Amino acid sequence: AQKITQTQPGMFVQEKEAVTLDCTYDTSDPSYGLFWYKQPSSGEMIFLIYQGSYDQQNATEGRYSLNFQKARKSANLVISASQLGDSAMYFCAMILGPYGNKLVFGAGTILRVKS
Amino acid sequence: EPEVTQTPSHQVTQMGQEVILRCVPISNHLYFYWYRQILGQKVEFLVSFYNNEISEKSEIFDDQFSVERPDGSNFTLKIRSTKLEDSAMYFCASSPGGGRVGEQFFGPGTRLTVL
Repeated sequence: AQKITQTQPGMFVQEKEAVTLDCTYDTSDPSYGLFWYKQPSSGEMIFLIYQGSYDQQNATEGRYSLNFQKARKSANLVISASQLGDSAMYFCAMILGPYGNKLVFGAGTILRVKS
Repeated sequence: EPEVTQTPSHQVTQMGQEVILRCVPISNHLYFYWYRQILGQKVEFLVSFYNNEISEKSEIFDDQFSVERPDGSNFTLKIRSTKLEDSAMYFCASSPGGGRVGEQFFGPGTRLTVL
C-alpha cells in the first residue's frame, strides 16, 4: 500500500529565508508521481509542483523546488525567499502511475512566515 | 485559464437529508474525482470516475454515496442520508489523462455542514 508521511506538523520561517518541508513516501511500484499542494486558510487546493519517479532532474517551479531523493524515498519541498503569502498548509501527495486513480495525501505541514 | 468549479461553496443541511454537491470539471478532461477533508485532517480520496462509470472507490464511499455525470459538463456527488460525520470540505478534481502522471486539478471545494 502507498503511504505518505509528513513529520512536521508546523514550521516557522523568517520572511525572505528558505524553508524545507519534509515528505517521505512508501511504495513498491516503480512508476509514481509526487505532488505538493498549498492550502491557504480560504481552503482551496493549489497545485505547486510535480515530480515523476522516472524524472532525472529535480522539479522546479519558480520559488518552489523539489528535492527528490529516490533511494531515500523522500520528496522534500524547498521554498526559497519566503513571503508572507506563503503562510498556509502544505500537503505532499502521491499517485501510482501510469494510470493511477487516486492521490494519497500526507497529514500536512502548517507553514507560518514571520515578518 | 480553465478551472474546475463547484457549487455551492457552503451547504448546511439537517442530519438525514439528501445533499447533492455539484462540480463542473475542465471541459476536455476525462477523469473525475471526489475527495473530502474533515476539518483539521488530511485530504481523503472518495471516488474516481471515467467513461461514465466508477473506476475506483474508497471504503468511505459506501451505499450512502453516489456519483453521476448527468450531462456533458456536470459531475455530481450525492449523499442520500447525511450524518454528522459527513461534515467536511468536499473537493472535486479532474484530470486530462496522459501528460504528467496523475495530475489533477482541484475545484475550490464545498463546505458541507450537517446539523
